[in-house]
Amino acid sequence: AQSVTQPDIHITVSEGASLELRCNYSYGATPYLFWYVQSPGQGLQLLLKYFSGDTLVQGIKGFEAEFKRSQSSFNLRKPSVHWSDAAEYFCAVGQDSGTYKYIFGTGTRLKVLA
Amino acid sequence: DAGVIQSPRHEVTEMGQEVTLRCKPISGHDYLFWYRQTMMRGLELLIYFNNNVPIDDSGMPEDRFSAKMPNASFSTLKIQPSEPRDSAVYFCASSLRNYNEQFFGPGTRLTVL
Repeated sequence: AQSVTQPDIHITVSEGASLELRCNYSYGATPYLFWYVQSPGQGLQLLLKYFSGDTLVQGIKGFEAEFKRSQSSFNLRKPSVHWSDAAEYFCAVGQDSGTYKYIFGTGTRLKVLA
Repeated sequence: DAGVIQSPRHEVTEMGQEVTLRCKPISGHDYLFWYRQTMMRGLELLIYFNNNVPIDDSGMPEDRFSAKMPNASFSTLKIQPSEPRDSAVYFCASSLRNYNEQFFGPGTRLTVL
């Protein structure tokens, strides 16, 4: 069965520090991969997506993610975190089996220290 | 465009009552999704529509839940009767095509006492 794992429930970083959020997926074929961000009391907003091609994907707000097929990973990175990045981040994988559903990970809550 | 609109934003009801959540997708989008978010289970897809037709409702927890999309600009999720374990945030999302970005509404926080 398809699955998405975000091993870190909470992460705390200092403002200005680099960030990497981990995402591992289980899927037989090439997946469609997404990162979403959810600020408190808000809906989810797409940061970036990977369908095919260049394995390093650039997104909004200075985020990037790298698809590594050999590791079944799609980790999200940012070189310098801002206090406004404090939020919950969700990795999602889409199926290519005729049903267009996303499977979301359980999320990683990011805290940024001033 | 105003984005995906959901109403109400908050709903408090008593066990056994009927609850109706509403969603207006972004104009022109032909996919509509209903999700439920809880601390225990995370974000779960309940049902999705394509061109107003339900395509997959395998995530609907039980018969107490039903969803309709009478036209391209309106969808409802109904719970009857409601139970305390239905307390969650319910999100509606829409997209223009399959695997395009899903645009999420602000959610409805449901509390069943």
